[in-house]
Amino acid sequence: QQQVKQSPQSLIVQKGGISIINCAYENTAFDYFPWYQQFPGKGPALLIAIRPDVSEKKEGRFTISFNKSAKQFSLHIMDSQPGDSATYFCAASHNYGQNFVFGPGTRLSVLP
Amino acid sequence: GAVVSQHPSWVICKSGTSVKIECRSLDFQATTMFWYRQFPKQSLMLMATSNEGSKATYEQGVEKDKFLINHASLTLSTLTVTSAHPEDSSFYICSARDWGGSTDTQYFGPGTRLTVL
Repeated sequence: QQQVKQSPQSLIVQKGGISIINCAYENTAFDYFPWYQQFPGKGPALLIAIRPDVSEKKEGRFTISFNKSAKQFSLHIMDSQPGDSATYFCAASHNYGQNFVFGPGTRLSVLP
Repeated sequence: GAVVSQHPSWVICKSGTSVKIECRSLDFQATTMFWYRQFPKQSLMLMATSNEGSKATYEQGVEKDKFLINHASLTLSTLTVTSAHPEDSSFYICSARDWGGSTDTQYFGPGTRLTVL
């Protein structure tokens, strides 16, 4: 129940395209869903996060879509750029900034 | 976003020695910090939760006597890997919980690459 599933494992997108990464969870007590971006050899950086009282949140080129009934949430990266090439982790917690459960990660490659 | 630093960024040590890694929240106070371990091409694995002024809470399977955690102030937590062995070689990442006003999330440090020879 604590698991967060993430797909795809890897993703290749052309420059200017839309990158979509999906996550699913089972624990209905989760109340906070952040996305992190990690470059090789670096720590994860918070990209965007959502709480279950909204269905969508947009910040620049990054959008989270949240489907509470399906227990799924996704990250959309619009106008993908080569600089977006990184590993993306979704996470979920049942106490906001505490007790994060991370997905296994998606390696995104954006081709120039 | 808030800034979390780690020191050192990388360390090489001999088997049997101890290594201390520092994690600092630079522009906010963190009553709670977390220590993660990450193997190549894998996700983050939570090792322990560090609360200022109290004992750390370790995840199942993590040896508390081997991975000593101290959270002596609201901006500093340390992880000491005692009697390190090659299997302890990994990427260690800390995070700090920024909990104030409308914010409640974790900010991560840049990580420390530990290599035990």
